Amino acid sequence: AQKITQTQPGMFVQEKEAVTLDCTYDTSDPSYGLFWYKQPSSGEMIFLIYQGSYDQQNATEGRYSLNFQKARKSANLVISASQLGDSAMYFCAMRPSNSNSGYALNFGKGTSLLVTP
Amino acid sequence: ETGVTQTPRHLVMGMTNKKSLKCEQHLGHNAMYWYKQSAKKPLELMFVYSLEERVENNSVPSRFSPECPNSSHLFLHLHTLQPEDSALYLCASSHRTGSSYEQYFGPGTRLTVT
Repeated sequence: AQKITQTQPGMFVQEKEAVTLDCTYDTSDPSYGLFWYKQPSSGEMIFLIYQGSYDQQNATEGRYSLNFQKARKSANLVISASQLGDSAMYFCAMRPSNSNSGYALNFGKGTSLLVTP
Repeated sequence: ETGVTQTPRHLVMGMTNKKSLKCEQHLGHNAMYWYKQSAKKPLELMFVYSLEERVENNSVPSRFSPECPNSSHLFLHLHTLQPEDSALYLCASSHRTGSSYEQYFGPGTRLTVT
């Protein structure tokens, strides 16, 4: 069984500062994918960034980067230069590679991020 | 315009009603998903369709009945729901193979059961 843990229910950050959202996971699968999604108050889940378990480098997408530490089983999201529009719920998710199904995602409980002026 | 659309966006129904949620994806994907998001709980996977075949059903009560007539459309038929079924229902799609393919979500249907 897989488990995703996000220990920060809520986070505050000042505009233009960087913030790290924590995510740890537990899996026995040797190959898996890790994802971060953003959910604004409107409800839509927006894909942010992906990290494969065998990727040698940490993933980056614009202001988003993933601090992947495989031995510690952590995949923290770093948002640089925070903007007011970054205020939202952030979900960490994982999916194994060996599933014969549609590769459903397993989500954490989420972290609520509030960016203040 | 998002690649995954859902209708209706909001739905209020009584426990004896029958309604359907619709999802459509315009991304050429061949896997589609229904998730339920209740307050203060992680997203719960309900159903997975891969190449129009249901491949996963996470012990969902029979009052929820999915239908996938083709790779672009997914429905969730609802009947005799309970108040605890009130939640945000999210549809998603992805390519079938490979763990690297992200899922794209629709805006969700906010369901309230009275």
